[in-house]
Amino acid sequence: EVRLVESGGGLVQPGRSLRLSCTTSGFTFGGYIMSWVRQAPGKGLEWVGFIRSKAYGGTTEYAASVKGRFAISRDDSENIAYLQMDNLKTEDTAVYYCCRTQNEGGSYQNPYDYWGQGTLVTVSS
Amino acid sequence: EIVLTQSPGTLSLSPGERATLSCRASQSVRSRYLAWYQQKPGQAPRLLIYDASSRATGIPDRFSGSGSETDFTLTISRLEPEDFAVYYCHQYGSSLTFGGGTKVEIK
Repeated sequence: EVRLVESGGGLVQPGRSLRLSCTTSGFTFGGYIMSWVRQAPGKGLEWVGFIRSKAYGGTTEYAASVKGRFAISRDDSENIAYLQMDNLKTEDTAVYYCCRTQNEGGSYQNPYDYWGQGTLVTVSS
Repeated sequence: EIVLTQSPGTLSLSPGERATLSCRASQSVRSRYLAWYQQKPGQAPRLLIYDASSRATGIPDRFSGSGSETDFTLTISRLEPEDFAVYYCHQYGSSLTFGGGTKVEIK
């Protein structure tokens, strides 16, 4: 059974940092692009970024709203993806979901077939 | 960036009725790379349709997707009580964007 479990959310002050983790099981983690999607309270979904598999360079792509502040990494030995969030702003307040792309490989052009339950990040003074 | 506009914002229907949800893209969506998700309160989104018209694993056949280029539709042939939720479209052909959602509520 495929499982994705996010952790690390909480209350943080503007300008501070937070790291989220996505612990996975039930599939060959290293072969998949892993993504982060967020949802502000009462709002829609917003793509945050993704990381390719090591076989495709482990490169990352980010939404313009977080580029330069957020960084995604992965530990294939532990089957965990991370989202490092620096210089947080109040508008980053959201539930953050970790997602798996549907197919193995290097193409981001796939839907998200598995999602974690999400972790809430609240940025407030 | 491709902007996805979903309409209507809210759809009020009764169980057993047909639901038709629209997703319009600001530019042509490459290779029909468009998906639909269902989200219920307090839950993560669930993949329903991908590549515009392919049903995801375990999705009932009352859900169907159609469309191409800039106009896409999700149809629920006969609404079941568990289908009342928010639905999002998502294009993954050119970068990644989501629509604003359509809420299907009980009339």
